[in-house]
Amino acid sequence: DVKVTQSSRYLVKRTGEKVFLECVQDMDHENMFWYRQDPGLGLRLIYFSYDVKMKEKGDIPEGYSVSREKKERFSLILESASTNQTSMYLCASNSRLAGRGDEQFFGPGTRLTVL
Amino acid sequence: GDSVTQMEGPVTLSEEAFLTINCTYTATGYPSLFWYVQYPGEGLQLLLKATKADDKGSNKGFEATYRKETTSFHLEKGSVQVSDSAVYFCALSPEYAGNMLTFGGGTRLMVKP
Repeated sequence: DVKVTQSSRYLVKRTGEKVFLECVQDMDHENMFWYRQDPGLGLRLIYFSYDVKMKEKGDIPEGYSVSREKKERFSLILESASTNQTSMYLCASNSRLAGRGDEQFFGPGTRLTVL
Repeated sequence: GDSVTQMEGPVTLSEEAFLTINCTYTATGYPSLFWYVQYPGEGLQLLLKATKADDKGSNKGFEATYRKETTSFHLEKGSVQVSDSAVYFCALSPEYAGNMLTFGGGTRLMVKP
């Protein structure tokens, strides 16, 4: 069964802390994505990666960075957390061969609160 | 750029009521269209999809038809259940980038017994 896991379901951090969110997929997918989900705004793409060590900015990359050292793992990094980064963060993956109609597979999400 | 607009919620219905959640999109060419569902405490999962005009996607009693002329992909279900309570997201993937998704704002559905 397809599986995307995220390291934490809930995180509470303080302003200025460095925060790591981890995502692991077991489907041998080349593409991995990080989104943030906010009420009324849906999901917005932060970064995506189409291969190990490769990354592309999404729609809202400011304040975030990413790391992809292994194919199965994609990390989202908040270098200095701020209160406006309080949100739900969702990781997803799909195959490089994904084309029309192919879905992305999502993890359960990490709800991050920055105090 | 591409965008998806869906009705704001929450939508509150009684069990066995008819459901419609409106979704319209803006995109060039022929995108693929999706409905994803997020049950409480979970990530998103694909509910249904359509890849070309006039296609109807269906799953678990839900249906949506790809209407190119009205750029719409409205979600319908004839008789909702309490277990359908969730957040529903309309999304598109561009014709030129099939592995990418653009999401609408989400619509929360609450079904009362």
